[in-house]
Amino acid sequence: AQSVAQPEDQVNVAEGNPLTVKCTYSVSGNPYLFWYVQYPNRGLQFLLKYITGDNLVKGSYGFEAEFNKSQTSFHLKKPSALVSDSALYFCAVRGDSNYQLIWGAGTKLIIKP
Amino acid sequence: SQTIHQWPATLVQPVGSPLSLECTVEGTSNPNLYWYRQAAGRGLQLLFYSVGIGQISSEVPQNLSASRPQDRQFILSSKKLLLSDSGFYLCAGKTVGQTNTIYFGEGSWLTVV
Repeated sequence: AQSVAQPEDQVNVAEGNPLTVKCTYSVSGNPYLFWYVQYPNRGLQFLLKYITGDNLVKGSYGFEAEFNKSQTSFHLKKPSALVSDSALYFCAVRGDSNYQLIWGAGTKLIIKP
Repeated sequence: SQTIHQWPATLVQPVGSPLSLECTVEGTSNPNLYWYRQAAGRGLQLLFYSVGIGQISSEVPQNLSASRPQDRQFILSSKKLLLSDSGFYLCAGKTVGQTNTIYFGEGSWLTVV
């Protein structure tokens, strides 16, 4: 069955520290993976995606994500967190059958000064 | 890149009244279009998607309907709103192509009273 899991409901990080938001997936075939960010009362903004190629993908606002095929993971990372990174983060994978995106439940990231 | 416009941004409607949320797309032709609902600031639920004018697929049975009268226009409607229809509604669009990215509008807050 195809699915996306974001195991952490909330992640708390001190400003300046590195951050990781976890995502694991299950699809047959090659995964197409996406990260989006949502600020309060706003639409989702695209951060980055992995289609093929280099396992380390760089995106907007200094974020990057590492595709790990053996662990079926696509964790979002940033070397030094900013208070303004506080938001809701969604991981998504393209489904097998009709190519619709399958969404994780979201992880709330809180960066404390 | 494409831009998604949706309105109104906020709406307060009495139970039993009709609903019309509108979405238009700029910067692309023949996009795939989507209506999502987000409950309680978390998970995304795909309500409808459309691959062309007059072509609507419903993902879940709802008190809602969708229409696509023009290539870049997508409308979410209801004849009689229920309290349970309250939520944050997001329109999204994607240029056709398996690896292309979905882009979102800024969302519409609907409160049914």
